[in-house]
Amino acid sequence: GQQLNQSPQSMFIQEGEDVSMNCTSSSIFNTWLWYKQDPGEGPVLLIALYKAGELTSNGRLTAQFGITRKDSFLNISASIPSDVGIYFCAGQLNYGGSQGNLIFGKGTKLSVKP
Amino acid sequence: EAQVTQNPRYLITVTGKKLTVTCSQNMNHEYMSWYRQDPGLGLRQIYYSMNVEVTDKGDVPEGYKVSRKEKRNFPLILESPSPNQTSLYFCASSWRGGYNEQFFGPGTRLTVL
Repeated sequence: GQQLNQSPQSMFIQEGEDVSMNCTSSSIFNTWLWYKQDPGEGPVLLIALYKAGELTSNGRLTAQFGITRKDSFLNISASIPSDVGIYFCAGQLNYGGSQGNLIFGKGTKLSVKP
Repeated sequence: EAQVTQNPRYLITVTGKKLTVTCSQNMNHEYMSWYRQDPGLGLRQIYYSMNVEVTDKGDVPEGYKVSRKEKRNFPLILESPSPNQTSLYFCASSWRGGYNEQFFGPGTRLTVL
């Protein structure tokens, strides 16, 4: 099936630093979603993107829907300890009014040094 | 409170002993889905359902069954569990059509000995 390449797989950063991660696909999507998963919990939606080129913010988080519709980026500014977790991108292709399934990346594990 | 619930949260069982993991949502969502999460592999879809009595295979359906007799419930059935089904399972739901902002349950950690 379709696959998303998410990078980096993991990263350690100093508190206060900015973080960037991205997802790329060989297929186009018309929806990109970014989720965060805390230990022992299910993924929680952070940002949803519905239009190529769209740039959307949610507090310190900013995500962009790539122009080619094959990639997306997530930036976290001024990271804090509670940003620790696994971040997943997910792409979806909706067609003819029907909802396509979500395809998930393998995740980026974020660890912050206090 | 809008939520997706799963039971049990933790389960240890033995090979071949049939089990069911329940999933229920109170948001009147049409779309429901099951995923498994394994280290290094991310979230992979097992089965999904677009509405009552409508189910379809995801990427890794082998060894699993589902049913959707009611809109709110979407149980995952393992008729004869095997050790390679040891995993963390998530149920999710969303509105059908258009945007897919899926809401996830808290997860069920299954160990098959």
